[in-house]
Amino acid sequence: NAGVTQTPKFQVLKTGQSMTLQCAQDMNHNSMYWYRQDPGMGLRLIYYSASEGTTDKGEVPNGYNVSRLNKREFSLRLESAAPSQTSVYFCASSEARGPLLGLYEQYFGPGTRLTVT
Amino acid sequence: DAKTTQPPSMDCAEGRAANLPCNHSTISGNEYVYWYRQIHSQGPQYIIHGLKNNETNEMASLIITEDRKSSTLILPHATLRDTAVYYCIVRVARSGGSNYKLTFGKGTLLTVNP
Repeated sequence: NAGVTQTPKFQVLKTGQSMTLQCAQDMNHNSMYWYRQDPGMGLRLIYYSASEGTTDKGEVPNGYNVSRLNKREFSLRLESAAPSQTSVYFCASSEARGPLLGLYEQYFGPGTRLTVT
Repeated sequence: DAKTTQPPSMDCAEGRAANLPCNHSTISGNEYVYWYRQIHSQGPQYIIHGLKNNETNEMASLIITEDRKSSTLILPHATLRDTAVYYCIVRVARSGGSNYKLTFGKGTLLTVNP
């Protein structure tokens, strides 16, 4: 049971290049998330997928697109990378617990460290 | 979601209890208190959550004051591996919309010293 896995672990891009960050979870969770964390800051939600087949914008969606490929996989795409997108990207997943659907404990992957030059 | 206030840093001796405070004076009745931690260069890790009763699990205890305006996370026997940034998060327990997100502030850097 690997939990949440992310690839790649590290990536360097030039401005204008594109790439896709991959995320997969093996916990059969319905919800998945992409966050970014800049140095000395908390996490900020980029996009989330409440369930398979749905995606929604978070706090900082500009410059990103996502695909919920199936229940296990949720990818994040940078179409034209910019230096402002240099960050650590975390994927997370969660499932409802208890009678109140909002009691989500989120499980995070190890992160992808992206540098855009 | 209610705003939280945490001290920026704390120290603790190895083997002693670490008590991490959090103020959330504007918390409303349907908001839960969550604690996560982030060890350097790793993804955040869920620790515990509660509504109004004290909670305990294998990692920690959560003490919430009767008026719910503050809480304390207790690591009963801190080890060097507990050195991390600890985040106190208050959020509504219902599904839909922005309730899916976790709003991480700057947290408390706990340093456990040998």
